[in-house]
Amino acid sequence: DSGVTQTPKHLITATGQRVTLRCSPRSGDLSVYWYQQSLDQGLQFLIQYYNGEERAKGNILERFSAQQFPDLHSELNLSSLELGDSALYFCASSGGQNQPQHFGDGTRLSIL
Amino acid sequence: GENVEQHPSTLSVQEGDSAVIKCTYSDSASNYFPWYKQELGKGPQLIIDIRSNVGEKKDQRIAVTLNKTAKHFSLHITETQPEDSAVYFCAAPWPGSDYKLSFGAGTTVTVRA
Repeated sequence: DSGVTQTPKHLITATGQRVTLRCSPRSGDLSVYWYQQSLDQGLQFLIQYYNGEERAKGNILERFSAQQFPDLHSELNLSSLELGDSALYFCASSGGQNQPQHFGDGTRLSIL
Repeated sequence: GENVEQHPSTLSVQEGDSAVIKCTYSDSASNYFPWYKQELGKGPQLIIDIRSNVGEKKDQRIAVTLNKTAKHFSLHITETQPEDSAVYFCAAPWPGSDYKLSFGAGTTVTVRA
């Protein structure tokens, strides 16, 4: 058990809808990272937050946004969903700069 | 981001034999190289990592070697067991990043009993 908790485990929704994925980092970790894993693109970095502030962006679509709250949990918001957004979404956390990242078990998002 | 190439994409070994997975990266300034193991239905699990100030690191049956000149690093699993069957990913940080990672495409390792 990595100590990173993601909810829900599975999410099924339709095109055009909006969903929110939640992540609770390991106790004491200040950094949260979001990744998308799909069969054709592999594991792709989306965005990173550190102690409530956005620190880095990767291949994140404008339809996607995230935030980190004062209690350090994070949410990834996906809107105007398309079939191609179907993927596994992982959250990872680390203690800060130069610290290893530990992943949760992901949320499987299916768009019908 | 960092361009990370991983080979082979699949690897089948007999139980007890060794498995080797190789990755290359493009940014000579990269200084941190983790390896993850992902089992079905689970998230990637960090199994070992290496920083650029060392050439080799070992943890029981797992070892990682780093060649900074050639810009490649390898995962070695010795005395493989059925529970080593999984998908393995290498990663390297994006240039100038705070450890946002770029992952290889993964290697599916199957250990035959």
